[in-house]
Amino acid sequence: DAGITQSPRHKVTETGTPVTLRCHQTENHRYMYWYRQDPGHGLRLIHYSYGVKDTDKGEVSDGYSVSRSKTEDFLLTLESATSSQTSVYFCAISAGGGNTEAFFGQGTRLTVV
Amino acid sequence: AQTVTQSQPEMSVQEAETVTLSCTYDTSESNYYLFWYKQPPSRQMILVIRQEAYKQQNATENRFSVNFQKAAKSFSLKISDSQLGDTAMYFCAFIADTGRRALTFGSGTRLQVQP
Repeated sequence: DAGITQSPRHKVTETGTPVTLRCHQTENHRYMYWYRQDPGHGLRLIHYSYGVKDTDKGEVSDGYSVSRSKTEDFLLTLESATSSQTSVYFCAISAGGGNTEAFFGQGTRLTVV
Repeated sequence: AQTVTQSQPEMSVQEAETVTLSCTYDTSESNYYLFWYKQPPSRQMILVIRQEAYKQQNATENRFSVNFQKAAKSFSLKISDSQLGDTAMYFCAFIADTGRRALTFGSGTRLQVQP
């Protein structure tokens, strides 16, 4: 299995509080991604990174920020959590190139109450 | 921008039978890759099969095969000899060979294999 770990695996937080999800990889892959999964929508891209300090927005980036200060870590922050951000969040990694398989973490279930 | 459409939210098949999951996509890219991912109840995302757009031959992986129709922008997944362990959500995904290197997913098809 690819070395990719998400933490925490489950979290319940209150509306308006900041939340940070962590993705850690041991594969030294260049690309890292954050997706959210909601019923009827599949997986939608929030942000991705193509190198240290190089990030870009996805389709559903509003309300989220990311940082990548080291190759192995990609952080997703919800500055002020809202109920609409209740979801399952997946981190993925890829060595790059379209044909390269993307490996996914186990997912984080976030509930905002 | 690319879009991926899976028009079958749910499907059911009897064990040992064959089932086909549909996927269509829209893109202006000339070179790209298509994937089917499986997500069992464990929530783990598992790559089932991939197809390079420049290859005419349809990809196969054991009981899984695809029907890739580039002109029609169609990419269906056929599962032969269905097994109970095939019960899962299946996602079709697209990635272009240039520009943004991130997968675009369809909304998924929930497949239930009945004993």
